[in-house]
Amino acid sequence: DSGVTQTPKHLITATGQRVTLRCSPRSGDLSVYWYQQSLDQGLQFLIQYYNGEERAKGNILERFSAQQFPDLHSELNLSSLELGDSALYFCASSVGVGGHNSPLHFGNGTRLTVT
Amino acid sequence: DAKTTQPTSMDCAEGRAANLPCNHSTISGNEYVYWYRQIHSQGPQYIIHGLKNNETNEMASLIITEDRKSSTLILPHATLRDTAVYYCIGGGGYNQGGKLIFGQGTELSVKP
Repeated sequence: DSGVTQTPKHLITATGQRVTLRCSPRSGDLSVYWYQQSLDQGLQFLIQYYNGEERAKGNILERFSAQQFPDLHSELNLSSLELGDSALYFCASSVGVGGHNSPLHFGNGTRLTVT
Repeated sequence: DAKTTQPTSMDCAEGRAANLPCNHSTISGNEYVYWYRQIHSQGPQYIIHGLKNNETNEMASLIITEDRKSSTLILPHATLRDTAVYYCIGGGGYNQGGKLIFGQGTELSVKP
């Protein structure tokens, strides 16, 4: 158990809809990261927050947004969903800003299916 | 883009050591080498990381070459539960922001 909690585990929704994925980081971790994993793209970095502030941005679509709240939990909002958004979405957390000597620890993901 | 090169797949007999190589020739002097594994769509699991020296923990050993351009992850006594995709991460400037850039990894199959 990594200590990172993601909810829900599974989500099925229709095209055009909006969903919110939630992540609670490990106790004491200030950074939260979001990754997307689809069959043909592998693990893709989306966005990182550190102590409430956006720190780094990857291949995140404009239809997607995220935030980190004062209690350090994070939410990833996906809107105007398309079939191609079906994927596993992972959240990770780390003590510091990551890299250097601060490993990321991943949750078990949310499996999103868009029909 | 990922900055590492790993074999696409490897086999290992149960109980034997599994040695997984990785090339990370563009790694910068202050960037760590990280290893993760992913078992069948579960979240990636942190295994080990290192900068220059060899490292060992309860899961594995990490051997980094002196020029830091490559490393080897060693699972000393592989079990069937070690069957997974193993990702090596090094280089790519991840220390700017801390994000890790994953490549395609090595699919390790441990066989009885």
